[in-house]
Amino acid sequence: NAGVTQTPKFQVLKTGQSMTLQCAQDMNHEYMSWYRQDPGMGLRLIHYSVGAGITDQGEVPNGYNVSRSTTEDFPLRLLSAAPSQTSVYFCATDRTGGSKEAFFGQGTRLTVV
Amino acid sequence: SQKIEQNSEALNIQEGKTATLTCNYTNYSPAYLQWYRQDPGRGPVFLLLIRENEKEKRKERLKVTFDTTLKQSLFHITASQPADSATYLCARGGNQKVTFGTGTKLQVIP
Repeated sequence: NAGVTQTPKFQVLKTGQSMTLQCAQDMNHEYMSWYRQDPGMGLRLIHYSVGAGITDQGEVPNGYNVSRSTTEDFPLRLLSAAPSQTSVYFCATDRTGGSKEAFFGQGTRLTVV
Repeated sequence: SQKIEQNSEALNIQEGKTATLTCNYTNYSPAYLQWYRQDPGRGPVFLLLIRENEKEKRKERLKVTFDTTLKQSLFHITASQPADSATYLCARGGNQKVTFGTGTKLQVIP
């Protein structure tokens, strides 16, 4: 089992470019989420999904889109990258709505110049 | 908003001693609190979960408490080792969202 796989690990974007951060899990978990981690700010929830076809906003959703067409995949799209989106992004899964342990991917370090 | 506060200052401790990390929450008690470990360049790794109706939970050298009066959780590592050096994150949950603290960096000195 690979667990939670994020790609790419590193990415540099120019302001205004768009891109998709991929997250795939093979744990058959219903709940998936995206966080960003910035120095001094901790992990902040961007979007989450409680199952295929269902997504909802977290604490900092502006500038990001998500979709959940399958249980396994939960991509995060940056529509028009801004320097403020420079961060480390983590995808996480767990069996139910956060009441069990979360499994995190290795992260994607994104720099927007 | 439901906040989690952790001491942002690093905690330095001598090997063999007990490390105690503090997590304070605001407003109502969460259904549960979680503790994670994060190493540089890696994703957080789950350590322990304690529910609102539990006062204490243990796992090997780890112990976590939940005090609803003080609105606080304490995380203890007994007989600490240099390999325990990492950042430890506290999180609150109970609905569909989990809120994390900023973490406390622990350095265990040989």
